[in-house]
Amino acid sequence: GAVVSQHPSWVICKSGTSVKIECRSLDFQATTMFWYRQFPKQSLMLMATSNEGSKATYEQGVEKDKFLINHASLTLSTLTVTSAHPEDSSFYICSASGSQGGNQPQHFGDGTRLSIL
Amino acid sequence: GENVEQHPSTLSVQEGDSAVIKCTYSDSASNYFPWYKQELGKRPQLIIDIRSNVGEKKDQRIAVTLNKTAKHFSLHITETQPEDSAVYFCAARVLIQGAQKLVFGQGTRLTINP
Repeated sequence: GAVVSQHPSWVICKSGTSVKIECRSLDFQATTMFWYRQFPKQSLMLMATSNEGSKATYEQGVEKDKFLINHASLTLSTLTVTSAHPEDSSFYICSASGSQGGNQPQHFGDGTRLSIL
Repeated sequence: GENVEQHPSTLSVQEGDSAVIKCTYSDSASNYFPWYKQELGKRPQLIIDIRSNVGEKKDQRIAVTLNKTAKHFSLHITETQPEDSAVYFCAARVLIQGAQKLVFGQGTRLTINP
């Protein structure tokens, strides 16, 4: 149980392109989803928290206009990296929790490796 | 805010020996402490967790201990095997601006030598 699916797993695109990443909870309702960014050999850094049907809460230093998050249903959240540039290249991972505010364990997706040329 | 420190950053042990990874946290209100295992290029996988009302939890070769007074918790892996090689992250759940969030440690790269 508690499977989280994330797509795509790998994206390579030109600078200036917008990229959408999907995160789905397959066998449970995810009231809260989290988006993380991970640089090589570093820890996971929380970018934003989204609750179904409400606006995402962004961490300090994360540009909300750059990283658009939508959590329109209890099983789907999307992260759109707008006008991506090489410095946006990173490993993006979503996680989902089956309770408001993430009071249950978080289960992670497989991650999306984003490379901007 | 919450700060989670994890040590060591790298750990190499002989197959069959035990491995111990330690974490400290700063926010005494933290009440949930999961441990994740991440293999190269893959998702972090929850391997064990502990809540603040428990001092120790064990699952086969893996155990976690929690000392609330000292604000530190540790992961113990016994009878290590080559497939235990990975990066391990501890985390502490905190309440920030009305939302429960996980704050991760820096990670420990564990290598099991055959």
